[in-house]
Amino acid sequence: GQQLNQSPQSMFIQEGEDVSMNCTSSSIFNTWLWYKQDPGEGPVLLIALYKAGELTSNGRLTAQFGITRKDSFLNISASIPSDVGIYFCAGHSGNTPLVFGKGTRLSVIA
Amino acid sequence: NAGVTQTPKFQVLKTGQSMTLQCAQDMNHNSMYWYRQDPGMGLRLIYYSASEGTTDKGEVPNGYNVSRLNKREFSLRLESAAPSQTSVYFCASIYRSARAVRGYTFGSGTRLTVV
Repeated sequence: GQQLNQSPQSMFIQEGEDVSMNCTSSSIFNTWLWYKQDPGEGPVLLIALYKAGELTSNGRLTAQFGITRKDSFLNISASIPSDVGIYFCAGHSGNTPLVFGKGTRLSVIA
Repeated sequence: NAGVTQTPKFQVLKTGQSMTLQCAQDMNHNSMYWYRQDPGMGLRLIYYSASEGTTDKGEVPNGYNVSRLNKREFSLRLESAAPSQTSVYFCASIYRSARAVRGYTFGSGTRLTVV
């Protein structure tokens, strides 16, 4: 089955720092999604990417669909305490169900 | 409020008991999914229903059954609960067309403990 490798597994950063995380796939995807999950809640969609090379922003968040279609990146600029949570990448191709990475746990130190 | 509603939010079962987790969406989405989330494992697909009247196994279907009751509702049943099924269960729905997928929305989860 399709595999997603998400890195890093966890990050501890100072408030105000920029954050980068990425996902790589063993196969080509035609959709990449990035989610954030707060404690006790379901994942919430942050950014959706539908074309290779696409770069999309949502406030301080920017995500890119890699040109090889096997990777995606999420950047968070000027982190704040409420950015704390688990970030998941997810992707799929064709009619296949969404496959998730194992998540990046972000901690922000004020 | 539009979205995905899961019930119950919390449940404790004894080994061998059965129960059904309910999921309903009011966004007219055609595809619905059940995932389980365990520490360090991310979200793993149990079963999905690409459209009303169809269901398919995901990555970890053993010990579960599903029913796509109508377009809105997709239930997950544990016939004989085991401690290994202690997890957080999430339902999700999407609108899928021939061209694209839109609106992958998750419920807030059901926290199940099997003792």
